[in-house]
Amino acid sequence: EAAVTQSPRNKVAVTGGKVTLSCNQTNNHNNMYWYRQDTGHGLRLIHYSYGAGSTEKGDIPDGYKASRPSQENFSLILELATPSQTSVYFCASGDRGNTGQLYFGEGSKLTVL
Amino acid sequence: GQQVQQSPASLVLQEGENAELQCNFSSTATRLQWFYQHPGGRLVSLFYNPSGTKHTGRLTSTTVTNERRSSLHISSSQTTDSGTYFCAITGNTGKLIFGLGTTLQVQP
Repeated sequence: EAAVTQSPRNKVAVTGGKVTLSCNQTNNHNNMYWYRQDTGHGLRLIHYSYGAGSTEKGDIPDGYKASRPSQENFSLILELATPSQTSVYFCASGDRGNTGQLYFGEGSKLTVL
Repeated sequence: GQQVQQSPASLVLQEGENAELQCNFSSTATRLQWFYQHPGGRLVSLFYNPSGTKHTGRLTSTTVTNERRSSLHISSSQTTDSGTYFCAITGNTGKLIFGLGTTLQVQP
C-alpha cells in the first residue's frame, strides 16, 4: 500500500506568520500534489511537481509556494499566512504512467487566526 | 473549462438499500477515478476507471467515456459506507479535477 505522510496534522498560526506543511512519500512516485479542501469548493489544486527540483502552479497558487527538494518530499509554504488560508490541506502522490492513481495523505488542518 | 458534476449532492439511505452516484464531465477525460473520504479523513482511491465496468466487493463503477459519464453503484449499503464520494478526471492539462462530491449517510 502506497504511503503518504503529512506533518503537522494540525497547526494554528497567526496572521502574517510563516507556515510550512510537509509531505513525504515512500512510493517512489514522480508526481506530487498539494490540494486544499473547503466546503462548497471540493478539492482545489494549489501546486504540483513532476519530480525533484520541479514545481508547477495549480489552479489556486496565489499566496503559496512549493518546494520539491527530493523525490520523497514536497512542501507547501505560506510565507505570510492569512485567515482565508484556513483550510484542510491534502498532499498526494501518483505515477506518471497510465495507471494515474493518486494516493493521499491524511490531511493537515490549518487555522490562521 | 473542464467541469466535473456529481449528483446527487447528498443521499440518505437505510442500511441494505442500494445507491447510485453519478458523475458527468464536460470534456473527454483521459482518466477517471472515484475516491472515498471518511468524514474528516484521508481520501482513498476506490476505482481508477477511464472506461468500462469494474467491481470490487459491493462497489461497481461504470464509465462511458464517449458519453462523458460515470457511475458508482453501492449495493446493500452499510453504515460504514457513510462519507463523501468524489469523482475526479484528468483532462488535457494533465491535472486532476475533482467534483464537489456526494455525501452519503447510511442509517441503521
